[in-house]
Amino acid sequence: EAGVTQFPSHSVIEKGQTVTLRCDPISGHDNLYWYRRVMGKEIKFLLHFVKESKQDESGMPNNRFLAERTGGTYSTLKVQPAELEDSGVYFCASSPPGWGEQFFGPGTRLTVL
Amino acid sequence: RKEVEQDPGPFNVPEGATVAFNCTYSNSASQSFFWYRQDCRKEPKLLMSVYSSGNEDGRFTAQLNRASQYISLLIRDSKLSDSATYLCVVPSRAGRRALTFGSGTRLQVQP
Repeated sequence: EAGVTQFPSHSVIEKGQTVTLRCDPISGHDNLYWYRRVMGKEIKFLLHFVKESKQDESGMPNNRFLAERTGGTYSTLKVQPAELEDSGVYFCASSPPGWGEQFFGPGTRLTVL
Repeated sequence: RKEVEQDPGPFNVPEGATVAFNCTYSNSASQSFFWYRQDCRKEPKLLMSVYSSGNEDGRFTAQLNRASQYISLLIRDSKLSDSATYLCVVPSRAGRRALTFGSGTRLQVQP
């Protein structure tokens, strides 16, 4: 069974540009999460989708970040405009309906110059 | 005070050694706890879940002390392949699925 996939694996952009990250959850997983780890800090929660609905977006840092999950399948996380402090690794995770284990994707390493 | 605190290490131990990590958490209402393992530049992977006083899986034992609000992970007979960062993870708030991660404890098992 395929795991959580994320694209791209790496992205290098300049400050002020826009970047869109994509996450494909495990098939059948209604729950989809975004987390990020900035340099030297612990992994932090960003938001949680249940199917296409945002269940919890308490971790979103500011309105430069926009997450969508149209149709309840894959999700995108757009950063516009990107700032230097947005650099880090963005992880996506998914879990089945209910309170199951969260399976993490390999992450997208974002570098903002 | 951080929600989840861990000793960052590194813990350098020889093969075959027993090593224990501790983690303290601040939310006394937490009901479930997790240890994740993260290899260098890889994603976190669930190692163990702890819902009551403890859990054991082969060489790994997790124990929970609710009164003192700490969780421990014991690894017996360490293998070279156990070298990784071990993350203590707690649900952020009751009823929410967001996870709060500790900063991790790095383990290096040496031959």
